[in-house]
Amino acid sequence: DIQMTQSPSSLSASVGDRVTITCQASQDIANYLNWYQQKQGKAPKLLIYDAFNSETGVPSRFSGSGSGTDFTFTISSLQPEDIATYYCQHYDNLRVTFGPGTKVDLK
Amino acid sequence: EVQLVESGGDLVQPGRSLRLSCAASGFTFDDYAMHWVRQAPGKGLEWVAGISWNSGSIAYADSVKGRFTISRDNVRNSLYLQMNSLRAEDMAFYYCTKDYYSENFGWLDNWGQGTLVTVSS
Repeated sequence: DIQMTQSPSSLSASVGDRVTITCQASQDIANYLNWYQQKQGKAPKLLIYDAFNSETGVPSRFSGSGSGTDFTFTISSLQPEDIATYYCQHYDNLRVTFGPGTKVDLK
Repeated sequence: EVQLVESGGDLVQPGRSLRLSCAASGFTFDDYAMHWVRQAPGKGLEWVAGISWNSGSIAYADSVKGRFTISRDNVRNSLYLQMNSLRAEDMAFYYCTKDYYSENFGWLDNWGQGTLVTVSS
């Protein structure tokens, strides 16, 4: 089975900072990698699919990149409403695997 | 507007059974695969099970295989999760989610608000 790891597990940043989260797969997963945002007490929300495609309505400050085993999720300028936990998710052949999550809060 | 409304969460004793339901609206239900994803309090997301548009493809996480059964009723626009032999580690919020694809699994583009399953004696 493919394992997903994320780093860091948590981070603190200031409003306006550039925030970067990485997700690593245990083997080559091409671009089958998605990113979700989950705010406290809410259901997750899809932000990025297939590594770099933005879901409709997602602010342009959110972006994704990468392929193979290494992926990056970036918030170009952190806003107070971006405080949340972010998860990467891999999909293939009838299996879905989430990363452990990265909690982002304000410094 | 897509709406997914879960129900059926409850307090149940270890070893007992529970059935979750998800009522879908706002989209053509039988055009999409569906999933259950769970989240233990304070923990991360865990995919539980997925089902293709016509129930032809079904898959489970190893942690629930043999105990849980996912099903759907395309006439009633509903998704179900039958949970048997419940364990303490099954305690979580259970989310009903819609896939982008119909046959294969992909990204989960809509989520319900979740229903809480508590397993305790």
